[in-house]
Amino acid sequence: DVKVTQSSRYLVKRTGEKVFLECVQDMDHENMFWYRQDPGLGLRLIYFSYDVKMKEKGDIPEGYSVSREKKERFSLILESASTNQTSMYLCASSWGGLMNTEAFFGQGTRLTVV
Amino acid sequence: GENVEQHPSTLSVQEGDSAVIKCTYSDSASNYFPWYKQELGKRPQLIIDIRSNVGEKKDQRIAVTLNKTAKHFSLHITETQPEDSAVYFCAATDGANNLFFGTGTRLTVIP
Repeated sequence: DVKVTQSSRYLVKRTGEKVFLECVQDMDHENMFWYRQDPGLGLRLIYFSYDVKMKEKGDIPEGYSVSREKKERFSLILESASTNQTSMYLCASSWGGLMNTEAFFGQGTRLTVV
Repeated sequence: GENVEQHPSTLSVQEGDSAVIKCTYSDSASNYFPWYKQELGKRPQLIIDIRSNVGEKKDQRIAVTLNKTAKHFSLHITETQPEDSAVYFCAATDGANNLFFGTGTRLTVIP
């Protein structure tokens, strides 16, 4: 079974803090994604990585950065957390290459910025 | 990037009836169209997907159709059951293999 694990289920941070959300997958997937999920807005893509050290901006990258130093780990960084970044964050991974395949999701991190 | 629109946002059906959810996409290079189901408090999980070289795919009570010319695809659930109640998301890949989602449809199956 593919396993995508996010480091925290719930997180509470203060405005202005630097926040790290970690995601690890155990299936040697090339692609990894970070989404945020808000009611009525669906899953919005923040960043996408198709290989180590490679990244592409999604729809809403402002206020976020990412790091992928190892193939299995994809980190989302909130440089200076703000209240409008309170949300559910979902990480996902999939095989790369020309044939797109199923994306497997982590359990999500509910981040509250106070 | 890709723009995926999904309708309706909520859908209530009687048990045993059919449910249809529709999505449109904007990137003509898109070639992969998965559908995910998310139950309350759980992660999204793939239920069916279709590639651009296929017009229709069926898996038991679930079917997906794709019209590449019109850039729209639909999910059909027949003989709905209470356990089908969930939020359903359509998605499409853009030319760079990014995966973009629609805004979701909350399906309620009334027993």
